[in-house]
Amino acid sequence: SAVISQKPSRDICQRGTSLTIQCQVDSQVTMMFWYRQQPGQSLTLIATANQGSEATYESGFVIDKFPISRPNLTFSTLTVSNMSPEDSSIYLCSVEEDPDTQYFGPGTRLTVL
Amino acid sequence: DAKTTQPNSMESNEEEPVHLPCNHSTISGTDYIHWYRQLPSQGPEYVIHGLTSNVNNRMASLAIAEDRKSSTLILHRATLRDAAVYYCILRDDWGSQGNLIFGKGTKLSVKP
Repeated sequence: SAVISQKPSRDICQRGTSLTIQCQVDSQVTMMFWYRQQPGQSLTLIATANQGSEATYESGFVIDKFPISRPNLTFSTLTVSNMSPEDSSIYLCSVEEDPDTQYFGPGTRLTVL
Repeated sequence: DAKTTQPNSMESNEEEPVHLPCNHSTISGTDYIHWYRQLPSQGPEYVIHGLTSNVNNRMASLAIAEDRKSSTLILHRATLRDAAVYYCILRDDWGSQGNLIFGKGTKLSVKP
């Protein structure tokens, strides 16, 4: 199974600033996903990031707020832009290695003051 | 993707079997039933999945009703480490882009 790491593991940021979260996978994968988990809630998909194409965003998420890069098959970044306290969440990346299984990173816990 | 219904929470005693139910009355013929769990302060991890037949792996068993409108995740001997939120997810793998739609899940507590 794929091993996924995320950086940073947690951060405290001021409103109006931006944070870039990195996701590194130990194998080459085509499909990567970014999720958000707000406090006490379940996971919500932000976007799908496939290498070589633009990220596909889910309803309610826009590229200006959550720009994503996918420069190669083992790496992706998610930026949370112009942050507000409502962006305080855990952000998780995942990959689909097998046709039926997703593997998740440990998450980045973001607090916006 | 069709919707699933799970109890908000369940309790179990350590070393006893646990049966976690999931209702999915609007399941379509091409929907697979996936289970993931999320341990505290961790990302979700895959548990098991199936289509029609019961499935077993080293983590758990999945029992699927004959009409496929419900399923049950079975942990044969619960340990304290099994305390987690368990998510039952339907996914149409035929032409799917791969995204998982998470519901609220069942929070399992395991008592020593």
